[in-house]
Amino acid sequence: GAVVSQHPSWVICKSGTSVKIECRSLDFQATTMFWYRQFPKQSLMLMATSNEGSKATYEQGVEKDKFLINHASLTLSTLTVTSAHPEDSSFYICSARVIGGSYEQYFGPGTRLTVT
Amino acid sequence: QKEVEQDPGPLSVPEGAIVSLNCTYSNSAFQYFMWYRQYSRKGPELLMYTYSSGNKEDGRFTAQVDKSSKYISLFIRDSQPSDSATYLCAMGAGGQNFVFGPGTRLSVLP
Repeated sequence: GAVVSQHPSWVICKSGTSVKIECRSLDFQATTMFWYRQFPKQSLMLMATSNEGSKATYEQGVEKDKFLINHASLTLSTLTVTSAHPEDSSFYICSARVIGGSYEQYFGPGTRLTVT
Repeated sequence: QKEVEQDPGPLSVPEGAIVSLNCTYSNSAFQYFMWYRQYSRKGPELLMYTYSSGNKEDGRFTAQVDKSSKYISLFIRDSQPSDSATYLCAMGAGGQNFVFGPGTRLSVLP
């Protein structure tokens, strides 16, 4: 079945540094990938929609200069949290939409970011 | 009115019970309906995917879509403690981004 991986699964960084999270669709191609953020015991919050070869579309309230998204190929999207602060600590999850008709969306395992 | 509504629970049931999880929605254009299961600190896992109205069964899971009532359901038969998780519904129309419900937390007690 469709598998989406994320790397790293867990990262701790110091305030002010940048962190890159990779999202890969392992056995299918995805023109569209999504980035979500989830706080403990809360629902998914869509941050941005990433389309291969074009600029990402950010949801209202999400700073595009802080959360840089690059979707360079049909199997890889990256999220870079720039100048991270403790309030950016969260669970970041990507998902990928299957190309062609069905619109099924598969999620990665998530990346837990802790900013100290 | 929110676009997708889902009772957040928590819902506690004894092992072996039939579980009914539901979502209502307001957008009549929605045609694609999905149910996800999310364990704590994990990404959501796609359980069921349904296009338009009707029922779909997969093992102990049955998804139902009633477009006339704008209501979808997920039934879990013979529930197990391993089914304890948060269940999210999601739905959308064509190429638009899917809208997710907030999730229902389910606990199946041994």
